[in-house]
Amino acid sequence: DTGVSQDPRHKITKRGQNVTFRCDPISEHNRLYWYRQTLGQGPEFLTYFQNEAQLEKSRLLSNRFSAERPKGSFSTLEIQRTEQGDSAMYLCASSFGGQVGYTFGSGTRLTVV
Amino acid sequence: RKEVEQDPGPFNVPEGATVAFNCTYSNSASQSFFWYRQDCRKEPKLLMSVYSSGNEDGRFTAQLNRASQYISLLIRDSKLSDSATYLCVVNDFRGSGNTGKLIFGQGTTLQVKP
Repeated sequence: DTGVSQDPRHKITKRGQNVTFRCDPISEHNRLYWYRQTLGQGPEFLTYFQNEAQLEKSRLLSNRFSAERPKGSFSTLEIQRTEQGDSAMYLCASSFGGQVGYTFGSGTRLTVV
Repeated sequence: RKEVEQDPGPFNVPEGATVAFNCTYSNSASQSFFWYRQDCRKEPKLLMSVYSSGNEDGRFTAQLNRASQYISLLIRDSKLSDSATYLCVVNDFRGSGNTGKLIFGQGTTLQVKP
């Protein structure tokens, strides 16, 4: 499978715990995007990378959230001290340059209990 | 005001019906427009791009009116399998150019009934 892959598919965690998600983009793609989608809403932009550089972070990304793309390949999104409001689908996408209309991974569904 | 606005629906239509979804966007500098389809608890998938001249893909027709900042999607001869949420999507274009970010509407839910 040469698409965008995300791991895990589902994560249930207790409030206050830390969680980390991984995204593996399409191999030749230099841009990687993270979005968050809550029930009944469209996806909202969180952050994006060009190669290993994090170029933009949304105001939605509080200081409990951190994202990395250490070698310009896979990326991780960590949420510290999770809250119930963090429950959402976390989606990753990749593209080459500023190409839009990109493909998303299957997402990681986080439930904070 | 949201950057991309859609009527959330739901739209409940019988099989074979024609249904139209509308969307407005606020950034007149936006350059690229899309409709994505999202099935329940799945990721959004690109349905079609939207061009100024209008474009068609089988039973689906997309239209763009830049002057009114309005996008539409028409589905003819609805099938049960068309039941999904349809997301109107606009690229984020600023003075610095195309950021590559996408801005999604809330989505419009379609339920096609037998």
